[in-house]
Order: sequence, then structure tokens, then C-alpha cells
Amino acid sequence: DIQMTQSPSTLSASVGDRVTITCRASQHIGPWLAWYQQRPGKAPDLLIYKTSTLNAGVPSRFSGAASGSEFSLTISSLQPDDFATYFCQQYETYQTFGQGTKVEI
Amino acid sequence: QVQLQESGPGLVKPWETLSLTCTVSGDSISSGKSYWGWVRQPPGKGLEWAGSIFYTGSAYYNPSFKGRVTISVDTSKNQFSLKLSSVTAADTAFYYCARVSSSVPRDYFDYWGQGTLVSVSS
Repeated sequence: DIQMTQSPSTLSASVGDRVTITCRASQHIGPWLAWYQQRPGKAPDLLIYKTSTLNAGVPSRFSGAASGSEFSLTISSLQPDDFATYFCQQYETYQTFGQGTKVEI
Repeated sequence: QVQLQESGPGLVKPWETLSLTCTVSGDSISSGKSYWGWVRQPPGKGLEWAGSIFYTGSAYYNPSFKGRVTISVDTSKNQFSLKLSSVTAADTAFYYCARVSSSVPRDYFDYWGQGTLVSVSS
């Protein structure tokens, strides 16, 4: 099984802050990583796939990158709508999700 | 616009079988462009992939469910279904159906249903 370790579990930030969430894979997954945003009571929304490709309609303040087995999601300037929980997902072997990062004020 | 909608009982007794159906609109399951999957999320916790199916009936399952999961497809109704047997309280969760973004079973999910809460309790 490929495990995804996401950090931090909670992140406190303010509007306008630059925030970064990281996800580490227990095995090599190539570029096969996606990020989702989930607002309370809602289904996850796809933000980024293949490490750094933005899904259609996703604001450019979101970006994804990788360094070795560590992947990151960066929000360049946090907006009120961005306070939510974020999940990474590997899809190199089936699908496994990280534990989630709650971005709160 | 692709839309998915889960339906089924919100309460299941322990050791019985949980059954849910996902109805797809705005896309045709039989087009063969996508796999279709189920993901669950215990309240306040993370996401767990249960399995995915192609219009041909070819299915892949998460081994951690130890053979309790069965996914089927009905192309005539543009629906696919989840059955989870021998449920316990640990299976209480929001269950989401979702579209896999391609005809490869291991890919990301680009469209999701709104989710349905299934509680396991006597």
C-alpha cells in the first residue's frame, strides 16, 4: 500500500497569507498526485492533478509542485473562500488520500 | 455539466449489507471514457477509496475492505452501485460516488456526487 502523509493537520492563517501544505508518499508515485478542496458539508472539489496542472476554473493563486517524494500545494494569497480542508491523493497505484489539512483563521 | 447523485438507505443494521446507487447525468457511463468510483469519509475524518468500475463491468477494489465491497453497473439506467457486506459501526460514513477522469482505473476524480451519510446502528 502507498501511504500519503500530509502536514500540517491544521494550519492557522489570515487573509492574504501565503500558505503551503505538504504531502509525502511512502513510495515513488511519479507525478501522479492530485489535490482537492473540501468545504464543510460538501464533496471534495478537484484543484490540481498531475502534481501541478490546475483544474479548469481554479484560481491561479493555487499552485502545486514536487521535490522528490514530497509534494506541495501553495496558496499565494489566502482568500476568505479558501478556508477549507485540503486533501492530497496519489493515483500511481489505485488511489490513496492524505489525512487532510484544515486551513482555519 | 456532469452530475452524480447518490441514493439509498441512510441507516443500516450491523452485519447487514449497505447498498447505494449513483445516478449519472450529463455523461454516459457506456461512452467508455471514464471509470466510476466510490469514496467514503467517516464524519470528521479522511477520504478512503472503495473501488471503481468500467462500463464493461471490470472492477477494482481497495484490498483494505477485505472482499466486502462489490460494485456493479447498469448502463441502461446510467447508474452504478455499491454493496458493502457485513457492516459495522466503523462503516458509518459519508459515501460519495465520483467519476474517474479517464478510462484508466487509477486516476484522479474530476466530478463528485454530493455524498450521502450512511449510519450503521441497530
